[in-house]
Formats: sequence, structure tokens, C-alpha cells
Amino acid sequence: KAGVTQTPRYLIKTRGQQVTLSCSPISGHRSVSWYQQTPGQGLQFLFEYFSETQRNKGNFPGRFSGRQFSNSRSEMNVSTLELGDSALYLCASSLAPTGSVMNTEAFFGQGTRLTVV
Amino acid sequence: AQTVTQSQPEMSVQEAETVTLSCTYDTSESDYYLFWYKQPPSRQMILVIRQEAYKQQNATENRFSVNFQKAAKSFSLKISDSQLGDAAMYFCAYNGADKLIFGTGTRLQVFP
Repeated sequence: KAGVTQTPRYLIKTRGQQVTLSCSPISGHRSVSWYQQTPGQGLQFLFEYFSETQRNKGNFPGRFSGRQFSNSRSEMNVSTLELGDSALYLCASSLAPTGSVMNTEAFFGQGTRLTVV
Repeated sequence: AQTVTQSQPEMSVQEAETVTLSCTYDTSESDYYLFWYKQPPSRQMILVIRQEAYKQQNATENRFSVNFQKAAKSFSLKISDSQLGDAAMYFCAYNGADKLIFGTGTRLQVFP
């Protein structure tokens, strides 16, 4: 079956702009999590969605937001981009939400490389 | 709060040899999963091996095995018969009640 698909793969934006990233989970998976990966901070948890509801949010400013649709596809949005937002954004899907006994593995997409200039 | 620590930023191994990557974590939870993920230059995170905290037996997947010491909160990864394709960043991760937490990663180089 198809894996986790993230689009676009690469993106270049200017400071102050906003950006929307998309993640299509594996068919049947209802939990989607987002992570920001940078050389300095490593992998940082952004948020998790399950059944269209945000279950948990990491320590990021309100400029970072997300949503999940009824087909489990998820989008994350970053408004008023800053240079420090340049990173690899990874999406992961799971059958069940984190903490559930059914959540035995997170499957990751290839990420979106965002560069803010 | 849970934390995951990987104290080896870089490791190297000769092809066909064995290497062990270290990971320690801190938690007050009793039920959780631990993972090792591999991230090659293609950037996609790939699950290498998974360990359920309630299982005393160490997980094994072909050439990959773990040494899980729950009381010491230690979770090391052993790669046997290393291959050139094993070269990648390796991340230890903790999956508890509310989120997946990653260590800072260990870059593994494999020399022929």
C-alpha cells in the first residue's frame, strides 16, 4: 500500500509570507503527527491530529497551526515566516493516537524541505 | 517530562563488524514503546526496531538487536555484520502517553 505522502518536497518562501504543507497518511491511518527537524534543535514535535481533532501540541508559537480533514489528510500552516522556520518538516501517520495500545509504530513521509529567505 | 539522550554524535564501523549505539531515557511512565529509527540521506525515517516496555525479552530484527535495561532506562542498538547501506543517522525515540520524543541522533559511518 502507498506510504505517507508529503507535498511539496521542496519550498522556498520569503520572510513574512505564509506556507501550507500537506500530508496524506497511509490508508486506514487516522493519526497524523508533524515534526520540525533542524540541525540545531533536532526533531521537535509540532502537533498531533486524530479524527480531525488536535490531541497534543508542542512548544511552538501560534504562527504554527494545523488541521485534519475527514479523510485523515492533514495540513500544517506557518504564517509570517521567519528565517528560523527553515527546516525539514516531517509528517508521520499511525493507526491510533499516541498513547493507545494500537499505536505501535509511526510511519514517516519523506518530508518537506522549507527554506525561508 | 520525558527525555531521550544519545551521547554519541558520531560512530564509525568497518564493514562486517559490529557496532553499538547508546540511548538513555527518562520517564515516570510504566507503559511505553521505544524505537530506533534510521534516517538515510533520502531523509525518510525508517523504523529499525521496536521494544515494548512490558516485554523483558530484547527485540531482534535480523542484524539489529537491542539491549533494553528498563531499570537503568537504557536502550542500546547493536548492528551486527555492518553493511555500507547501514550508513545513516540513527534516532532513538520514546513513545509514551502523549507524543513521540526523539534523541539528537547518532551519525553512523560504515567503512569498506
